[in-house]
Amino acid sequence: QVQLVESGGGLVQPGRSLRLSCAASGFAFSRHTMHWVRQAPGKGLEWVATIWANGDNHRADFLEGRLTVSRDNPMNIVYLQLDRVRPDDTAMYFCARDIVGLPEEWGQGTLVTVAS
Amino acid sequence: QAGLTQPPSVSRGLRQTATLTCTGNNNNVGNRGVAWLQQHQGRPPKVLFFRDGTRSSGISERFSASRSGNTASLTITGLQPDDEADYYCSSWDFSLHIVLFGGGTRLTVL
Repeated sequence: QVQLVESGGGLVQPGRSLRLSCAASGFAFSRHTMHWVRQAPGKGLEWVATIWANGDNHRADFLEGRLTVSRDNPMNIVYLQLDRVRPDDTAMYFCARDIVGLPEEWGQGTLVTVAS
Repeated sequence: QAGLTQPPSVSRGLRQTATLTCTGNNNNVGNRGVAWLQQHQGRPPKVLFFRDGTRSSGISERFSASRSGNTASLTITGLQPDDEADYYCSSWDFSLHIVLFGGGTRLTVL
């Protein structure tokens, strides 16, 4: 059974850094592209980053310079680090498995709240 | 950033048919297809259809997906109360090298 479990969310002060993890199981993680997507409260889905099996990645322009994504294939984990967080980074952050070229199998998400 | 266009809301009666649309361009919908996602309040998105048009496991045949040119459509027949949700389309844009989402359509079943 495929599982994607995000963790690391919570209350973060503006200007600080956050690091989210997504632990995967039930599939050949090292072969799959993974995505991060976020959803601000009451808003739609917003693509954040894509990381390919070899670690190459592409990040949303509006987060460029603040966002790092990485993966640990032996440990089946994908990471997201966001620096200098702002209140508008408040969102549910989802990781999702790429099955046929898009985020298609989603975790439950981890909520990040940026506030002082 | 660029996105796909979906109507913000659609309302239909119980047991009626709803068709939701998603419009992009030749760099995404027209050439790469779309995935359709359903999201109930407080829940993560769930894929209904994969980009290649395959229905996800366990999804009712009341749901169907199609595409014509740069517009994709999701049709739901025999609407049920549980169909009330937000529906998102998603596509890969091979010019921008990013995943695009539509703004979502809130389906209300009256």
